[in-house]
Parts: sequence; structure tokens; C-alpha cells
Amino acid sequence: DGGITQSPKYLFRKEGQNVTLSCEQNLNHDAMYWYRQDPGQGLRLIYYSQIVNDFQKGDIAEGYSVSREKKESFPLTVTSAQKNPTAFYLCASSVGTSNQPQHFGDGTRLSIL
Amino acid sequence: GQSLEQPSEVTAVEGAIVQINCTYQTSGFYGLSWYQQHDGGAPTFLSYNALDGLEETGRFSSFLSRSDSYGYLLLQELQMKDSASYFCASNTGGFKTIFGAGTRLFVKA
Repeated sequence: DGGITQSPKYLFRKEGQNVTLSCEQNLNHDAMYWYRQDPGQGLRLIYYSQIVNDFQKGDIAEGYSVSREKKESFPLTVTSAQKNPTAFYLCASSVGTSNQPQHFGDGTRLSIL
Repeated sequence: GQSLEQPSEVTAVEGAIVQINCTYQTSGFYGLSWYQQHDGGAPTFLSYNALDGLEETGRFSSFLSRSDSYGYLLLQELQMKDSASYFCASNTGGFKTIFGAGTRLFVKA
């Protein structure tokens, strides 16, 4: 079955540490997205990528970095510069522009030790 | 600024009809989407309105009025499994989507 796989499901970060969240899709979608969700809030866009080797900052990109070396993969690194990283992180993909439905992974819950 | 406003909570009885409203203020508006998210889970796409009017998909319908910057999601024949959070989302062109804060729906027996 096609879908989006995020790993790990739970992740703990120590102070000053960078961590990388994995996102893989086998839907053959060109566009991929990373969102952050805080309790009781909507999704905020961190980064998005329209095509391989290209990505753009979203609304809250500070303290995060991404890469898009393969169509299937869009990993997100939460750097030590992100001072409040505790949140639920969701990866999504879509066929094309965002008027197309976005398909989401099951998310990674990141906490600070 | 760009924002979407929706009620934080709605409660309804099993078998009833409930409407979740969404008003938006965004630049470059192209359409309004609705997503469902159960606790701790992934959002799933429900519907998309690019034009004014009603779109129906089974028990769910969605409405858009561009002149009023307003839309709603209508859920009929409510079931317990419909208890979830519902998000409206604005497509602002290209690849950017802005999400509302979500409406938590509680369905009572």
C-alpha cells in the first residue's frame, strides 16, 4: 500500500543536540511538507519542497533544516538553535500544488529530556 | 495577517447534524480544504471547495462563500467515531496552505 512513513514515532532530544526526523513516501508525489503542531493548535508550515533538490522556508523555519536529495525522502533536522522543539511533527505530500489533498504520515512526537 | 477562525469546540448528539464554521482572512485565496484528525493521529483529507457552493461526499458536505470569506463543514448522521478535531485550511496559491486552529467535535450517545 502507498503511503507516508515517519520515524521514529517518539523522539527525545538532549539540550544542545540536533535530531533528524525521517519522512519517506511511496506515492510518487512531487511535493512534500513538514508541519509542526502544538497542543490545541493548528498545523504550522516549517518547510516545503516542490521537487527534488529544491525546498522553501515556511512560516516557522528558524531552527530547522531539510534536504530533498530523493523524491521519496524529505528528512527534517531540528537543530539546537530551535529553543522550543517539543511538539508533534507531521510530514505530508501531495501530487502538485496545495489545492491537491495532502497525505499525512502518522507523525513524530519530539520531547526534550 | 493571514488567519482562519473556527470554534474551538462543538458538542452534538449521535445521529444529529452539526455544522463547523470557518471564516478566513488570507491573501491570494484559492480554495478551502477540510481535514479530520483523531487524537494522536494523522490528519486526513475530507473535502476541498474552490468555487462557491456545496460539495457533498457521503455524510460530509462542505460549503464556501468567497464573498463572505466563509465556509462550513456539515456532518450528518453523526456517529461516535466522528469525535475528532476538524481543521479548515486555506490554499493561498502555490504550495502554501494555512490551517485553522481546529474544532474539537464531541459526539455524545
